[in-house]
Amino acid sequence: EIVLTQSPGTLSLSPGERATLSCRASQSVGSNYLAWYQQKPGQAPRLLIYGASSRATGSPDRFSGSGSGTDFTLTISRLEPEDFVVYYCQQCGGSLPCSFGQGTKLEVK
Amino acid sequence: EVQLLESGGGLVQPGGSLRLSCAASGFTFSNFAMNWIRQAPGKGLDWVSGLSSSGATTYYADSAKGRFTISRDNSKNTVYLQMNSLRAEDTALYYCVRDRLMVRPGTFDIWGQGTMVTVSS
Repeated sequence: EIVLTQSPGTLSLSPGERATLSCRASQSVGSNYLAWYQQKPGQAPRLLIYGASSRATGSPDRFSGSGSGTDFTLTISRLEPEDFVVYYCQQCGGSLPCSFGQGTKLEVK
Repeated sequence: EVQLLESGGGLVQPGGSLRLSCAASGFTFSNFAMNWIRQAPGKGLDWVSGLSSSGATTYYADSAKGRFTISRDNSKNTVYLQMNSLRAEDTALYYCVRDRLMVRPGTFDIWGQGTMVTVSS
C-alpha cells in the first residue's frame, strides 16, 4: 500500500500570501492518479486538482498542482479568506488500494 | 444537477450489519465507477471500496475485505455497501463518491453529503 505523507501538518499564513503544500509518496505514483481535495468544515471534500496538475471544473486558477514520481505540490498563488481550510492529497495508482494523506490545515496567521 | 444521496446509516451494535444506499441523479450513472469513502469524527479520509461502471469488478481496502460488499443496480442508478461484522472502528461518516474513471477507482469528482454509521453497544 502506498503511504502519502503531507507536510506541513499545519501551515500558518496571511491572506494574499502564497501557500505551498507538499505530498510525498512511499513509492512512485502514476501522475494520472494523484489528486488534491479541499474540505471545509461540515462539508464533503471537493476535488481541486487531478492528474497531478489539471484543475477540476470550478476550481479557481489560483490553485495549481505539480510534481511526479513521489513528490507532489499544491500551490495556492494568493490566499483568499475562504482558502483557510484542510487539504488532502490522494492516490489510486497501479497498486490499489487508494490512499489519502493525513491532511494539511491552512490557518490564518 | 449532479447529485448523490446516501441513506441507511444509523446506530448498530458491534457484530451487527447495515446496508448503505446511494441514489445518483443528474448524470449517466452507468458510465462511471463508484466508491465509498469514510471519515471518522475529527479524522482524515479513508477509501473503503469501489466498483467499475458495470459492477463486474470490485475493489476493497484491507479493512473492508471479507466484511463489506459493494454492488450497484444501474437500472435504479443506485450503489450499495453491505457492511457485516461491524466494529467500533467502522464508526464514521460514509460518503458515496463518483469516480472520473469508468473501470477502476482513480479520482473522486462528485461527493454526496454522507451518512453516519455508529457502531456501539
